[in-house]
Amino acid sequence: DTAVSQTPKYLVTQMGNDKSIKCEQNLGHDTMYWYKQDSKKFLKIMFSYNNKELIINETVPNRFSPKSPDKAHLNLHINSLELGDSAVYFCASSQGRGNYGYTFGSGTRLTVV
Amino acid sequence: GENVEQHPSTLSVQEGDSAVIKCTYSDSASNYFPWYKQELGKRPQLIIDIRSNVGEKKDQRIAVTLNKTAKHFSLHITETQPEDSAVYFCAAIPGAGSYQLTFGKGTKLSVIP
Repeated sequence: DTAVSQTPKYLVTQMGNDKSIKCEQNLGHDTMYWYKQDSKKFLKIMFSYNNKELIINETVPNRFSPKSPDKAHLNLHINSLELGDSAVYFCASSQGRGNYGYTFGSGTRLTVV
Repeated sequence: GENVEQHPSTLSVQEGDSAVIKCTYSDSASNYFPWYKQELGKRPQLIIDIRSNVGEKKDQRIAVTLNKTAKHFSLHITETQPEDSAVYFCAAIPGAGSYQLTFGKGTKLSVIP
């Protein structure tokens, strides 16, 4: 019973395409996040939603648009994909501010060719 | 915002030796400091955390220490084993009201059998 599940696990697509990544958590957490991990392994916050409300929106190109239909789901849509978007995208969830830890999904490896 | 510095970026130790990873943070109001372990191709997983009202915490072979005055915290792994080889991330949550967990840049630990 996976706590935070992401789909797809791998995504290979051409430049200019539009793609979505889905995330679902069954932990009953009220806060969800998208992190980007680049080739140097740095984990950088992109977005965060608390009870479906956007609370963190870092400096990310507006080609990236998150959507939270309910507090158990957080999706990420990316328009006009670029080579530099290639990375591993992790979804995570926490209860409240996360000071009891985050639980990460297994990641989506996005490769733009 | 919070800034977390982590050293060293790579660390090689002989099996059985100890490993120490150090982090500093900038926001004196930060009150929660987790450590994550990420094995190759896997998700980051919480291994230990410490709150600002505690100076040290142990869990079997791993321990974390916190010096609030100096604004630094460290991860100590004793009797290292090959399965400890991974990338370790320190992180901090800034002061009241913040939802953003800021990560250090990671330390790649290699345990040589």
